[in-house]
Amino acid sequence: GAVVSQHPSRVICKSGTSVKIECRSLDFQATTMFWYRQFPKKSLMLMATSNEGSKATYEQGVEKDKFLINHASLTLSTLTVTSAHPEDSSFYICSARGTGSTAGELFFGEGSRLTVL
Amino acid sequence: SQKIEQNSEALNIQEGKTATLTCNYTNYSPAYLQWYRQDPGRGPVFLLLIRENEKEKRKERLKVTFDTTLKQSLFHITASQPADSATYLCAQSNSGYALNFGKGTSLLVTP
Repeated sequence: GAVVSQHPSRVICKSGTSVKIECRSLDFQATTMFWYRQFPKKSLMLMATSNEGSKATYEQGVEKDKFLINHASLTLSTLTVTSAHPEDSSFYICSARGTGSTAGELFFGEGSRLTVL
Repeated sequence: SQKIEQNSEALNIQEGKTATLTCNYTNYSPAYLQWYRQDPGRGPVFLLLIRENEKEKRKERLKVTFDTTLKQSLFHITASQPADSATYLCAQSNSGYALNFGKGTSLLVTP
């Protein structure tokens, strides 16, 4: 099946620094990827839709200048949390839509746990 | 706006029994509903998808139903095993794009 890889799986940073999270589709091309965040015991909340070669579409309430998304190729999307603060600490998960026989399914990465001190 | 509601109470059942999890939506019928499994600290894993015009879908020990009258989907795990213990997420989408998730229901299967 389709595999989506995220890196890093865990990151700890100081307040005020920026952190980049990578999301790669390993065996298929993803024109669209999605970024979610999840707080403990809460649902996954969609942050933005990442479109290859164009600007990301952000959900209401998500600051686009704080959460920078770049989807420069068909297999890679990156999320950069700029000037991170403790309230940005969360579990960030990316996903990509399957193609062909797996069209309609969303394949998720393993998630990236961000802790801002 | 559409809300996906899952019972936030953890479900504890004995090994071998059938686990039944509920997902309700509040407004319009989504084109399809999906069920995912999520283990602690991991990303969700796709399990089953059921379309609006389908009543039931099965996959091995899993069964999903979709009742547009009740605005509800039920997720069943038959002959449950301790390895089935996880959080199960219900999600809806109309366009095939981003999913709107419920909070998930935690299932614990005890030997």
